[in-house]
Parts: sequence; structure tokens; C-alpha cells
Amino acid sequence: SQQGEEDPQALSIQEGENATMNCSYKTSINNLQWYRQNSGRGLVHLILIRSNEREKHSGRLRVTLDTSKKSSSLLITASRAADTASYFCATGHSNSGYALNFGKGTSLLVTP
Amino acid sequence: DAGITQSPRHKVTETGTPVTLRCHQTENHRYMYWYRQDPGHGLRLIHYSYGVKDTDKGEVSDGYSVSRSKTEDFLLTLESATSSQTSVYFCAISAKGENTEAFFGQGTRLTVV
Repeated sequence: SQQGEEDPQALSIQEGENATMNCSYKTSINNLQWYRQNSGRGLVHLILIRSNEREKHSGRLRVTLDTSKKSSSLLITASRAADTASYFCATGHSNSGYALNFGKGTSLLVTP
Repeated sequence: DAGITQSPRHKVTETGTPVTLRCHQTENHRYMYWYRQDPGHGLRLIHYSYGVKDTDKGEVSDGYSVSRSKTEDFLLTLESATSSQTSVYFCAISAKGENTEAFFGQGTRLTVV
């Protein structure tokens, strides 16, 4: 079953604006990861945040994790047209060989 | 990019025929996974492997089998393809499993007619 659920399902913004995507999950986790998928391509890892961390930054990306609310958010600052893609949160757990459980994704469109 | 290759990249097959998809890695990673991606469902785990000859079922394993006879290769077989198995299949690899990122292949688009 899906572990993570992203919100919103689709987001359209203009270049330069910030994009915020949210993820909720159901069970305890070891970590939460965010991935990007460009149309017709494989997924690319963006950032991993461990269950004992609350915030993490990587370039224009900022991820927060609230384990008490079982939620995470991904903020992309100063968006660019090249950020247009689908974004997925995924939770890892020691069950299933640490396989990731993915949400259905947020489709982000950044227009020039 | 991580050394992970899926083959074939595209395949059209008829209902009832067997199909094998191959995932090949050059990273010597221990963990390998097969996912399928369908509209409205995101990615769902089919099977995974935690070592040579060590495999287990995922969320949507019915109709699929896997084999891993070498570290670098993870094969996904559809014993008798059905139209419901039309999907995009992704292979992923991971070095340590816990708290490590996964690297994905480019995907195989399979159409069962």
C-alpha cells in the first residue's frame, strides 16, 4: 500500500517563485527521501532526511520532517523552468529490504 | 550517473507470452528492486533482492518472478503476460539499504496487447 501521500497533486508556478510540496505518511520510518522524475525518465534522488532530523538543506532545496505529525515538506526556492518535473516522497523502513514506499507524486510546472 | 542499465527499454508483447526484463548494475550494490509505475498509483514494489539468490516479494508480486544469480543482474519475469501488466518498470539499486539513497534505471515501457 502507498505509504506517502503528496499534496498537492499538481502545482503550477512562475519562475522565481517558491514551490512547496507536502508529504504525509502512515507508519514509523527510518528516513524519508524526495525524488524527482522528469517526463519519461527514471527517478533521481534529491535529499534524504533521517527520522531524528527535523530540517535539511541542499542548494535550493529545503526539507522538513515532523515525525509527530508524520509529515514532511519539500521547498524549492527561486524555481526555474528546469524544475518542471514530478516529485515523490518515499519512506524507508527495515521491512522489505529497505525498499522505498512511494507516494503518488506532485506534478510541478514552472512557467517562464 | 550510477551504472544501472535496463533492457529492453521498450517492448510490445502478446497476452500469454513470457517476458523477461533485465536490470544490470556496475556498482556492486547489494540491494536491487523492481518497481512498476502506473498512472494514479505512483511506484509500487514488485520484488526485491538483498543478495545473490536472496529475493522476496513486494506489494504487487502476483504474476511476477525474479532471479538474481549474480550481484550485477536482477531479472524480472512475467510468466504469462496479461494486459494488466502493461506498465513502466523501473529497477533500482541501493548500497546499504538503510538510510541510503536508491539509484534508478531509465525504465522499461512494456505493452501487453
